[in-house]
Amino acid sequence: GNSVTQMEGPVTLSEEAFLTINCTYTATGYPSLFWYVQYPGEGLQLLLKATKADDKGSNKGFEATYRKETTSFHLEKGSVQVSDSAVYFCALSDLGSQGNLIFGKGTKLSVKP
Amino acid sequence: KAGVTQTPRYLIKTRGQQVTLSCSPISGHRSVSWYQQTPGQGLQFLFEYFSETQRNKGNFPGRFSGRQFSNSRSEMNVSTLELGDSALYLCASSFEGARETQYFGPGTRLLVL
Repeated sequence: GNSVTQMEGPVTLSEEAFLTINCTYTATGYPSLFWYVQYPGEGLQLLLKATKADDKGSNKGFEATYRKETTSFHLEKGSVQVSDSAVYFCALSDLGSQGNLIFGKGTKLSVKP
Repeated sequence: KAGVTQTPRYLIKTRGQQVTLSCSPISGHRSVSWYQQTPGQGLQFLFEYFSETQRNKGNFPGRFSGRQFSNSRSEMNVSTLELGDSALYLCASSFEGARETQYFGPGTRLLVL
């Protein structure tokens, strides 16, 4: 079945460092891909999305490009801030067979001043 | 526009009891999905409702049920609670024209003792 694999955390960076969180997927067809962020004690916030191959989603300095050839959707940010500390989830839509969103396990990011 | 709201935010129950959680979607959103988040299993899809009908269902036992009202508000019920039902229960809503893009509420944290 469809699945999402994320790099395991935690990831600890210094402020202004470059961030990459790897995400790869297995899917039949061409699902839409998402990154969600979860701050401590809160629900999930949609960070960005891409609906077809080569699409780039971007928001708040974060970017991810839908790569069909490598089945990847890596999250990047050029300069992280302490306020970016959170758990990041990669997800794909699977409205057909398994219903709704399938999530990766999440990657915890800690940014130190 | 107000976001997805969930009540209550926190709940403590004992084994064998039942519980009802409530979710109010974003205005204009008619699709409501429920997810369970635990440290061990991550985020797992429970079910989706649209127009008062269950449209999709995840792989959970029959103790987990839900419903949707004519105003799109949704409730989920868990009967005969088990310790393993302790989790964060997240509700998400989406606009039917963009069903795959889901917006999450803050969640209800359920602790079963």
